[in-house]
Amino acid sequence: NAGVMQNPRHLVRRRGQEARLRCSPMKGHSHVYWYRQLPEEGLKFMVYLQKENIIDESGMPKERFSAEFPKEGPSILRIQQVVRGDSAAYFCASSPSGFAGNEQFFGPGTRLTVL
Amino acid sequence: ILNVEQSPQSLHVQEGDSTNFTCSFPSSNFYALHWYRWETAKSPEALFVMTLNGDEKKKGRISATLNTKEGYSYLYIKGSQPEDSATYLCAFPPSGNTPLVFGKGTRLSVIA
Repeated sequence: NAGVMQNPRHLVRRRGQEARLRCSPMKGHSHVYWYRQLPEEGLKFMVYLQKENIIDESGMPKERFSAEFPKEGPSILRIQQVVRGDSAAYFCASSPSGFAGNEQFFGPGTRLTVL
Repeated sequence: ILNVEQSPQSLHVQEGDSTNFTCSFPSSNFYALHWYRWETAKSPEALFVMTLNGDEKKKGRISATLNTKEGYSYLYIKGSQPEDSATYLCAFPPSGNTPLVFGKGTRLSVIA
């Protein structure tokens, strides 16, 4: 049973470009969470999605950031017109349900560097 | 604002020492408390999910206790080994089906 997959593992973008980060949850998991780790910071929640629905996007900046989890295919976190402050490690996690007592399984992360 | 506090921020111990660290969380409306282990260049890995006051869970040399009334959990490592070196995170869901709020972690270094 493959774990949570994220790609790319490393992504370099110039200011103003778009970044697309992909996350394939574990088999059988329909709940996906995106977190961001800024330098010297802990993991911060961004967005929580269930298949085809955004459940909670309270941690995601309103401008330039969007997320989706289509019926088929991976979840995508999109950052438009990237700025240097977007440089961070982005992790996704999946779980079989949204229940707080379920552990979340994390992917290896995508390290975004904005030049 | 919901805060999860962990202490100490970092810890250096000798191989063979036992150690423990603390996670503090709001004691009202408790649902669960998660502990994760995060090795450098890897992804966070769940250690324990604790749901009941007085819970004690164990995995090998690592154990955790939970006090929901006073809002704290302890993680213990017995006979630390170099491979225990990692950042240990605790996380707390503000309600029954909401995403986790993570503490900043305790960074453990075990010196051989």
